[in-house]
Formats: sequence, structure tokens, C-alpha cells
Amino acid sequence: GAVVSQHPSWVICKSGTSVKIECRSLDFQATTMFWYRQFPKQSLMLMATSNEGSKATYEQGVEKDKFLINHASLTLSTLTVTSAHPEDSSFYICSANVYNEQFFGPGTRLTVL
Amino acid sequence: DQQVKQNSPSLSVQEGRISILNCDYTNSMFDYFLWYKKYPAEGPTFLISISSIKDKNEDGRFTVFLNKSAKHLSLHIVPSQPGDSAVYFCAAKDRGTYKYIFGTGTRLKVLA
Repeated sequence: GAVVSQHPSWVICKSGTSVKIECRSLDFQATTMFWYRQFPKQSLMLMATSNEGSKATYEQGVEKDKFLINHASLTLSTLTVTSAHPEDSSFYICSANVYNEQFFGPGTRLTVL
Repeated sequence: DQQVKQNSPSLSVQEGRISILNCDYTNSMFDYFLWYKKYPAEGPTFLISISSIKDKNEDGRFTVFLNKSAKHLSLHIVPSQPGDSAVYFCAAKDRGTYKYIFGTGTRLKVLA
């Protein structure tokens, strides 16, 4: 299947700093990628749809100024958590569609102190 | 409003027996369904899919059944193995979009 990578896999930062997470499609081009967030023992919640060359589409309740998404190329989407706070600590996962199947990255564990 | 529900948060099954994981949905416009397996601190791993035009899809030990009239799908794993122990999510896609909505997951534990 298609391979999606994420970097970093784990990050700890101080409150108030910004953190950038990269999502790459390694063996295919992805015009659309998705960003999810998962809290412990909960489901994956779709945060936004990242569209190559255009603005991301955010789900209801997700602050677009807080979670900046840039999809500058067909193989890279980035999620920047701006002015991170402890409540932003979570597991962030990206994915990309290949036909009807969605392939996920390994996830990034963000811990904000 | 939870459009995709997995009502059993956990399930324990003896090794070699069948595991049945259930998923219910409310949106009749869903046209494609996926099952994923997830280990802690890892991304989900795709298991099996089914289109709304089918009622069954089989891949090795995994079989997914879709009952559109009941808006219900299930994943059967047989025989179950200890390595199958993980959290299983079902996900559904709305017709005309690429977005998937995930259920809350069922933690499967296969006992040796």
C-alpha cells in the first residue's frame, strides 16, 4: 500500500511555542491530505482537509488560526500548532487518499508542558 | 451527533475463536467503509474495506459484512490470534467526498 510518513514522531515543547508537524506521501502524489487528532481512548477526530495549492478546509470547532495547515506540494502537508498550550497535547495523525482507501502516517505525539 | 458508532468499547476472545466487531451508522449517504487496526502511539493500519454496493468482502482471516437496511457492518476475524489484540476502528465515507468519519473504536484482546 501507499506509504505516508510523519515527522517528528514525538515532540515536547514549552507552552507558548509553535510546533510544526510534517506529513509526506512517499511513493505517490496526494492532492488532498487529512489531519486528525486523537485523545487517549477516543476516536480519531478529523481536524481539517489539506488541499494542495489552496486553503485548508477546517471542521467545525477547529481554530484555523491555531492549527495552520500548508499543503505546498503534492507530497507534503504541514500542520503548525501555534502558541501551543497543554490542552493541545495529543496524538496528531495525517492521512492521504488513494482511490477510496485512506492511508495513515504513523502519528506525532505532541506534549506541551 | 455520532454518525458512526461502535457500541462495544472492548471485547475479549479466546485464541482460535472468532472475533466479531460491530459498527452502526446513521447516514444513508455513506458509500464506502473501512476497518482499521491501531496500536497505541501508532497510526491506524488499513485492514479491509467494503463498498456500499456489496454486502461482503473477504481477505484472509478478515471478513467484513455490510447490512445496508440495518445500517450495520461487522468485522469477523477467524481464527483470532494474540497478535490481533489492538483497537479496531470502523470508518465511513460520505458519497461525493473523501472524508471519513471514524467510530469510537473497540479494543480487542485475544487471549492465548
